[in-house]
Amino acid sequence: KNQVEQSPQSLIILEGKNCTLQCNYTVSPFSNLRWYKQDTGRGPVSLTIMTFSENTKSNGRYTATLDADTKQSSLHITASQLSDSASYICVVSGGANQGGKLIFGQGTELSVKP
Amino acid sequence: DAGVIQSPRHEVTEMGQEVTLRCKPISGHDYLFWYRQTMMRGLELLIYFNNNVPIDDSGMPEDRFSAKMPNASFSTLKIQPSEPRDSAVYFCASSFSGGPLDEQFFGPGTRLTVL
Repeated sequence: KNQVEQSPQSLIILEGKNCTLQCNYTVSPFSNLRWYKQDTGRGPVSLTIMTFSENTKSNGRYTATLDADTKQSSLHITASQLSDSASYICVVSGGANQGGKLIFGQGTELSVKP
Repeated sequence: DAGVIQSPRHEVTEMGQEVTLRCKPISGHDYLFWYRQTMMRGLELLIYFNNNVPIDDSGMPEDRFSAKMPNASFSTLKIQPSEPRDSAVYFCASSFSGGPLDEQFFGPGTRLTVL
């Protein structure tokens, strides 16, 4: 069964600290992995997208890594800010014959405290 | 472009009533997706369209749910009759080509509460 699992479910950190969110997936075939940020009351917004040949990709203070062999990804947030408080969702896309279908993880709820 | 537009933003209705959610995708996008988000199940794909044609509706929970896309700039998701377990946030998203690397842009969502 195609699944995406994230950990931890929730995380509280102090402003300025770093944190790392984890994602394991069992989706096959695999095309790419995305990290989305979802602010409260808003739709998800894409942070990064990586294909199987990419190991790391950065977007400002966000750095995503991908190990296609172990089917694991992580999202590292550097020097956290209060505005980073949101849900972070790991999303996997299957092969081309699946059209635009995405498989979503349950998300990690991050709270950054002053 | 204003992005994906959804209406209403909030809907409160009573069990048994018909509910219609509306979506306007980004102009020029050929793919449109309807999702449902709950605390228990996260985001789930309900149905998606390509060039106004439904491609995969395997995520639609039951016959009470129906979706249409009469033209490239408008889609509806209808629930009839509604039940309390339908309470969730419903998102519409669109993408340019629907390819595996294509980014999906999400609307702000409609929060549905069925009493």
